[in-house]
Amino acid sequence: AQSVTQPDIHITVSEGASLELRCNYSYGATPYLFWYVQSPGQGLQLLLKYFSGDTLVQGIKGFEAEFKRSQSSFNLRKPSVHWSDAAEYFCAVLAESGNQFYFGTGTSLTVIP
Amino acid sequence: EAGVTQSPTHLIKTRGQQVTLRCSPISGHTSVYWYQQALGLGLQFLLWYDEGEERNRGNFPPRFSGRQFPNYSSELNVNALELEDSALYLCASSFSGSLDTQYFGPGTRLTVL
Repeated sequence: AQSVTQPDIHITVSEGASLELRCNYSYGATPYLFWYVQSPGQGLQLLLKYFSGDTLVQGIKGFEAEFKRSQSSFNLRKPSVHWSDAAEYFCAVLAESGNQFYFGTGTSLTVIP
Repeated sequence: EAGVTQSPTHLIKTRGQQVTLRCSPISGHTSVYWYQQALGLGLQFLLWYDEGEERNRGNFPPRFSGRQFPNYSSELNVNALELEDSALYLCASSFSGSLDTQYFGPGTRLTVL
């Protein structure tokens, strides 16, 4: 069965510091992988996605993610965090059957001045 | 271009009541998805509608149902509300039959008392 694990429930970083949010997936075939961000009281906004090709994917707001098949990981990174990046981040895998997203439980990011 | 819209923004109901949530997809999108985001449970897939038909269903009881209209908008109905149905209900849309990005609406916050 497909599943997504985000090991870190909550992360706190200082503004200007680098960030890495972890995501591991379990999926039998080539995964379609996504990172979404959710600000308080808001819906989900797509940050980036990986379908195939270059394993380093660039997204919006300065985020990037690297697909590592050998580690079944799709970690999200940002070199310098801004206070406005404080939000909930969700990793997801899209199952080919049923167009169904499997979401991780999310990582809450706090940015301190 | 307008994004996915949902109504109402908030709802308060009591146990045993019925509720209807509404979603309008992005223009040109014919697939609509419903997710439940309950506290502590993350995002759970509820239903997928495409071209007016229910295509897939998550692990939810039959009292969760819905439909899709000819204009591709959708309703989610929940009968016999229970306290644990309190959650943010998110709607997403995508192009028909495509394994592609789902774009999310802002959600409807349902509180069951």
